[in-house]
Amino acid sequence: KAGVTQTPRYLIKTRGQQVTLSCSPISGHRSVSWYQQTPGQGLQFLFEYFSETQRNKGNFPGRFSGRQFSNSRSEMNVSTLELGDSALYLCASRQGMADTQYFGPGTRLTVL
Amino acid sequence: AQRVTQPEKLLSVFKGAPVELKCNYSYSGSPELFWYVQYSRQRLQLLLRHISRESIKGFTADLNKGETSFHLKKPFAQEEDSAMYYCALSGHSGNTPLVFGKGTRLSVIA
Repeated sequence: KAGVTQTPRYLIKTRGQQVTLSCSPISGHRSVSWYQQTPGQGLQFLFEYFSETQRNKGNFPGRFSGRQFSNSRSEMNVSTLELGDSALYLCASRQGMADTQYFGPGTRLTVL
Repeated sequence: AQRVTQPEKLLSVFKGAPVELKCNYSYSGSPELFWYVQYSRQRLQLLLRHISRESIKGFTADLNKGETSFHLKKPFAQEEDSAMYYCALSGHSGNTPLVFGKGTRLSVIA
């Protein structure tokens, strides 16, 4: 099976703009989670979707939002970008809530 | 509060030496514990999960509930073990998100 894919792999935006990142899970996986990875804070959970419903949400401001489509693909959106949003955004998928998470390669977002 | 602590940012060992990567956790209840690994230019991947009690690539980890630790061990380090290692926990049956430690970079010196 193909692994988790994320697009785009790299993005450069300026402060105040908004951005949408996309994640395609492994075929058959119904859960998608998003994480932000930075050198200072490490890996932090953003949110998880299962069968189009948000199941868990991390401690991030409302500028961070996400959704999941009926084919399990997921998008996350960050509005009004700030410099501190520069990070590697990782997506992970799993078949069910008790199963192992498989990670994608990440999208590197740079905010100037 | 849920927390995972990896006290060492960097651990350097010689090839053939034993390795122990430390992980301590704080959690109310019975967590699931994991070790993830990220090799250079590769994606984050699961190394082992405590409930499976498997040994992967020679690594093992024992859950010590009394000391709230889940240290990763390997008796003889190999150069290909050089990578970033993350300890993580979640609630029972994965009903809460993964909480990661900040990671330990293992460098195996030839």
